[in-house]
Amino acid sequence: DADVTQTPRNRITKTGKRIMLECSQTKGHDRMYWYRQDPGLGLRLIYYSFDVKDINKGEISDGYSVSRQAQAKFSLSLESAIPNQTALYFCATSDLGREDTDTQYFGPGTRLTVL
Amino acid sequence: GNSVTQMEGPVTLSEEAFLTINCTYTATGYPSLFWYVQYPGEGLQLLLKATKADDKGSNKGFEATYRKETTSFHLEKGSVQVSDSAVYFCALISFAGGTSYGKLTFGQGTILTVHP
Repeated sequence: DADVTQTPRNRITKTGKRIMLECSQTKGHDRMYWYRQDPGLGLRLIYYSFDVKDINKGEISDGYSVSRQAQAKFSLSLESAIPNQTALYFCATSDLGREDTDTQYFGPGTRLTVL
Repeated sequence: GNSVTQMEGPVTLSEEAFLTINCTYTATGYPSLFWYVQYPGEGLQLLLKATKADDKGSNKGFEATYRKETTSFHLEKGSVQVSDSAVYFCALISFAGGTSYGKLTFGQGTILTVHP
């Protein structure tokens, strides 16, 4: 089984709809992240969480919100989706306490299309 | 702020050719450097990493050396295969006072296509 899972894998929605993307991990990591990927722009950080009670905005948080329901679960919401939020979304985890030097491990991604 | 610049792509090579993908960075603190690979239809996977100057990361025949004097972390492979076709991302995470900021900064990605 994959260590970091994302649901759904693909989603098509309409402008103005609320949508939630979910991420679960079995790695036991404290830190979780949401990124979006756009062609030619690499990945950009939306939100990150260092533990259940610690949530921080990334570089492109406008139009998004998150919820850290448990150590293993981190959800990303689009309250009112707009077409320029069409992108590939990735969840990632890391654990500074190990010798991984904060290496991040990524889920398979969710392809979101907003019409 | 932190930034990562990768060579423009796409890169197209024949099988067994030598590969170099350039990566330079600017960062505060003492960054760790990474190469991630994204195969078609998949998420990102860590390919290799280096945590301090002059360290060499290596995996699957790929290598990259952390060059602090030139702020570079170029990816190389001596003989590419068709199966290496993917998007390659250079990235960094910076530390200060032993604490990670926790935020990966990515380059824009380089598409590699290897033909038989």
